[in-house]
Amino acid sequence: GDSVTQMEGPVTLSEEAFLTINCTYTATGYPSLFWYVQYPGEGLQLLLKATKADDKGSNKGFEATYRKETTSFHLEKGSVQVSDSAVYFCALTQGGSEKLVFGKGTKLTVNP
Amino acid sequence: NAGVTQTPKFRILKIGQSMTLQCAQDMNHNYMYWYRQDPGMGLKLIYYSVGAGITDKGEVPNGYNVSRSTTEDFPLRLELAAPSQTSVYFCASRYSPLQTEAIRDEQFFGPGTRLTVL
Repeated sequence: GDSVTQMEGPVTLSEEAFLTINCTYTATGYPSLFWYVQYPGEGLQLLLKATKADDKGSNKGFEATYRKETTSFHLEKGSVQVSDSAVYFCALTQGGSEKLVFGKGTKLTVNP
Repeated sequence: NAGVTQTPKFRILKIGQSMTLQCAQDMNHNYMYWYRQDPGMGLKLIYYSVGAGITDKGEVPNGYNVSRSTTEDFPLRLELAAPSQTSVYFCASRYSPLQTEAIRDEQFFGPGTRLTVL
């Protein structure tokens, strides 16, 4: 079945450091890809998405590009802030399915 | 708008007890979902609903029941609680004008209910 693999956490960075969180997927067909963020004590929020190959999703300084050839959707940010500390989830869904398949999540801590 | 609200925030149950987790949304969304999040794992879909009166099983429905009598509310029922149901439960909703559309639109999540079964 479909699956999402994220890099293991936790990840600890200093403020203004560069962030990469790797995400690869296994899916038949052409899934849509998502990054969700979960701040402490809150529910998940959609951070960005891409629905077809070579699409780049971006929001709040975060970016991810849908790479079909490497089945990847890595999350990047050029300069992280303390307020970016959260758990980040990569997810996919297939056309016509109500099922979002999530990765295990990567906890990011940004220190001042 | 309050968005998606869930009650209670925390609950401890004894094995065999029953309870209902409440979920409500005020965004007039037609789709609603229940997920569970186990420690160190991603979310897994328990049940979902595409509109009032219509529900369907997700990936891990055993031990749970749902109903959708109104657009706003989507309660999740645990009939005989077991330790394996210890988890954080999230409710979510989204709007889609066409039920045949792929899930490309944002799901809005509630803050979660942390349930412990002892």
